[in-house]
Amino acid sequence: EVQLVESGGGWVQPGRSLRVSCGVSGFTFHDYAMHWVRQAPGKGLEWVSGISSNSGGIDYGDSVKGRFTISRDNAKNSLYLQMNSLRVEDTALYYCAKDIDGSGYYSGYFDHWGQGTLVTVSS
Amino acid sequence: QSVLTQPPSVSATPGQRVTISCSGSSSNIGSNYVSWYQQLPGTAPKLLIYDNNKRPSGIPDRFTGSKSGTSATLGITGLQTGDEADYYCGTWDTSLSGVVFGGGTKLTVL
Repeated sequence: EVQLVESGGGWVQPGRSLRVSCGVSGFTFHDYAMHWVRQAPGKGLEWVSGISSNSGGIDYGDSVKGRFTISRDNAKNSLYLQMNSLRVEDTALYYCAKDIDGSGYYSGYFDHWGQGTLVTVSS
Repeated sequence: QSVLTQPPSVSATPGQRVTISCSGSSSNIGSNYVSWYQQLPGTAPKLLIYDNNKRPSGIPDRFTGSKSGTSATLGITGLQTGDEADYYCGTWDTSLSGVVFGGGTKLTVL
């Protein structure tokens, strides 16, 4: 069974940093691209970032470009999102999502999702 | 403001058919495949449709997808109360080099 478990969320003041993680099991992690998608309270989905299977391809949404960094450790079956210079508008539930395409690059389709980790940015 | 445009809400009665539209532009829907997600209250989204009209294993054929030009449509037949959820369209945007979503459509089954 595919499982994605996010951790590391919490409350942080504006301007500070936070790193969230996603541990996965049930599939060959190093074969698949991975993504972070967030959802602000009561709002819709927003794609944050994607990373190819070998970390050779990385993209970010415009709202986080230059502030967030995605990375992965294939030996540890883990995905990370380093969030710097956090803003109030970054408050959201952050989902880790697996890409459906096993070629290693991302298709942009997310066939498995974690339950999310809540990041609250507030003074 | 979302890049893709969806109606905020739709409603129908059990057993009926409903469609949800998703409108974009030449840089997203017009040149890339579309996906659809269902988000039941309090849960993570679930992939319903990818590549415009393909269903992952386990998704019933009551759910169908189509695309024409810069618009896409999700169809749901034989509506059930358990279909009450938020539905999102998504696709790659070539100009933005990223995935974009619609604002979501809340389906109410009366």
